[in-house]
Amino acid sequence: NAGVTQTPKFQVLKTGQSMTLQCAQDMNHEYMSWYRQDPGMGLRLIHYSVGAGITDQGEVPNGYNVSRSTTEDFPLRLLSAAPSQTSVYFCASRSTVLYEQYFGPGTRLTVT
Amino acid sequence: RKEVEQDPGPFNVPEGATVAFNCTYSNSASQSFFWYRQDCRKEPKLLMSVYSSGNEDGRFTAQLNRASQYISLLIRDSKLSDSATYLCVVPEGKLTFGTGTRLTIIP
Repeated sequence: NAGVTQTPKFQVLKTGQSMTLQCAQDMNHEYMSWYRQDPGMGLRLIHYSVGAGITDQGEVPNGYNVSRSTTEDFPLRLLSAAPSQTSVYFCASRSTVLYEQYFGPGTRLTVT
Repeated sequence: RKEVEQDPGPFNVPEGATVAFNCTYSNSASQSFFWYRQDCRKEPKLLMSVYSSGNEDGRFTAQLNRASQYISLLIRDSKLSDSATYLCVVPEGKLTFGTGTRLTIIP
């Protein structure tokens, strides 16, 4: 099993550009989440999904969209990148029964 | 009060020493707790789960104090490889992460 995979690993965007961060898991987990991590801020939940076709907002959803068309994939879209979105983005998954969460390796995004 | 609070450290501890740090939580109904370890520029990885009063795994012991609403992580005989940030996690519908405690083991 590959676990949770994320692409790209690094990305530089200009202000106003849009892009999609990809996340996939092969553990048949129902629950998937996107977090951003900034220095001194810890992990903050952006959006999450409890299953295909179901998504909900987390703590810091503004500027981001998600969709969940399959159990495996949970892409995160930046609509119009801003410097405040410079961060490390982690995707994670878990089963709905157990709270033990597995993280992808992260995407380091810089917006100039 | 924040949902999950941790002392950010840094804790600088000599190799071989014992170190402990706490995590306080606000939801008294929480039933399970987790410690994650995060190495520099890496993703968090599950270290220990705590479903009852505590859990022990080799040099690591996690304990739960429900009355005072905190969980602790104790590391005995610390190794250089234990240097990392330790994140406390409390499931409250969604998982709520503490900001982490940074630990550096000094040779």
